[in-house]
Amino acid sequence: KAGVTQTPRYLIKTRGQQVTLSCSPISGHRSVSWYQQTPGQGLQFLFEYFSETQRNKGNFPGRFSGRQFSNSRSEMNVSTLELGDSALYLCASTDVEGPGELFFGEGSRLTVL
Amino acid sequence: AQSVTQLDSHVSVSEGTPVLLRCNYSSSYSPSLFWYVQHPNKGLQLLLKYTSAATLVKGINGFEAEFKKSETSFHLTKPSAHMSDAAEYFCVVSEGSSASKIIFGSGTRLSIRP
Repeated sequence: KAGVTQTPRYLIKTRGQQVTLSCSPISGHRSVSWYQQTPGQGLQFLFEYFSETQRNKGNFPGRFSGRQFSNSRSEMNVSTLELGDSALYLCASTDVEGPGELFFGEGSRLTVL
Repeated sequence: AQSVTQLDSHVSVSEGTPVLLRCNYSSSYSPSLFWYVQHPNKGLQLLLKYTSAATLVKGINGFEAEFKKSETSFHLTKPSAHMSDAAEYFCVVSEGSSASKIIFGSGTRLSIRP
């Protein structure tokens, strides 16, 4: 089975722009979660989706949004980018409701200038 | 509320010597505990997990961890370090089925000296 695929792997944006990141989970996995990883704050939970429904959202401003499609692929969007949004954004999928293993993608590294 | 504390931000050992990465947790319930490893520019990979079965958990690549409820600890060990073990290690606690109930530790960077 192919692993979790995240695109793009690297991207550079300027303040005020918006960005969309994509995550394709492992085939058969219906649950997708997103995390922001920074040196200062570590790994922080962004969203969780299951069968196209957002189950939970972390403590992030409304500029951060996401969705999940019928094929379980997920996207997250950040609008009006700020310098502090520079981070590694990780997506994980799982085939169980938990607590189970999270399968992570390699991440999308966003740099905001 | 649950929390997890990794007691060392950086651990350096010589190749062939034992590894000990320390993790303490706090939880109101019987948590599930995990260790993940992250190599540079990669995602996280599960090393092992504890879900209320055996207290000594064996994982991949020769790692193991022991759940000690009385000490609220879940330390990760390996008898003999290898150069390929150099990475960031995360202790994780989960109290439920939702990703929002998963708390990641701050990470321990493991360096291996030749």
